[in-house]
Amino acid sequence: NAGVMQNPRHLVRRRGQEARLRCSPMKGHSHVYWYRQLPEEGLKFMVYLQKENIIDESGMPKERFSAEFPKEGPSILRIQQVVRGDSAAYFCASSPDGQGNTIYFGEGSWLTVV
Amino acid sequence: KQEVTQIPAALSVPEGENLVLNCSFTDSAIYNLQWFRQDPGKGLTSLLLIQSSQREQTSGRLNASLDKSSGRSTLYIAASQPGDSATYLCAVTTSGTYKYIFGTGTRLKVLA
Repeated sequence: NAGVMQNPRHLVRRRGQEARLRCSPMKGHSHVYWYRQLPEEGLKFMVYLQKENIIDESGMPKERFSAEFPKEGPSILRIQQVVRGDSAAYFCASSPDGQGNTIYFGEGSWLTVV
Repeated sequence: KQEVTQIPAALSVPEGENLVLNCSFTDSAIYNLQWFRQDPGKGLTSLLLIQSSQREQTSGRLNASLDKSSGRSTLYIAASQPGDSATYLCAVTTSGTYKYIFGTGTRLKVLA
């Protein structure tokens, strides 16, 4: 049973470019969460999605960031016009329900903006 | 607003020592608390999950305790090994939400 799969694992973008990060949840999980880990900081919640729905995006920056979880395919975190401050590790997690029980994290996508 | 603090930020111990990592949270109305391990450049691995009604959980050499009233949890590692070297993260969910609030972690190094 494959775990939460994220790709790419490492991504380098120039300022102003777009970054797309993908997350395939564990089999049977329909709840996906994105977290961001800035250097020397803890993980911060960004967004919670179920299939085709954004449930809670209270942790998403107001501009340039968007997320989706289509009916088919992986969840996508999209960052437009990246800036140096977007450099971070982006972690996806999935769970079988949204009740705060054990969640499973992916290996993360490390974004570097140059 | 829930805040999670972990002390110490870093810890270096010789192999074989028993050690305690501390986690404190400001809002006692938590749903559950989890301890995670993070290896450099890797994702998070859940070590122990404690529901709000529980006081402790054990897995192998690991034991986690929870005292909701005082807003504290400890992770006890017995007979530490070099393979235990990693960052240990504490995270809580507050009742009625699914968002985890993380501490900044304790970086543990176990010396052979």
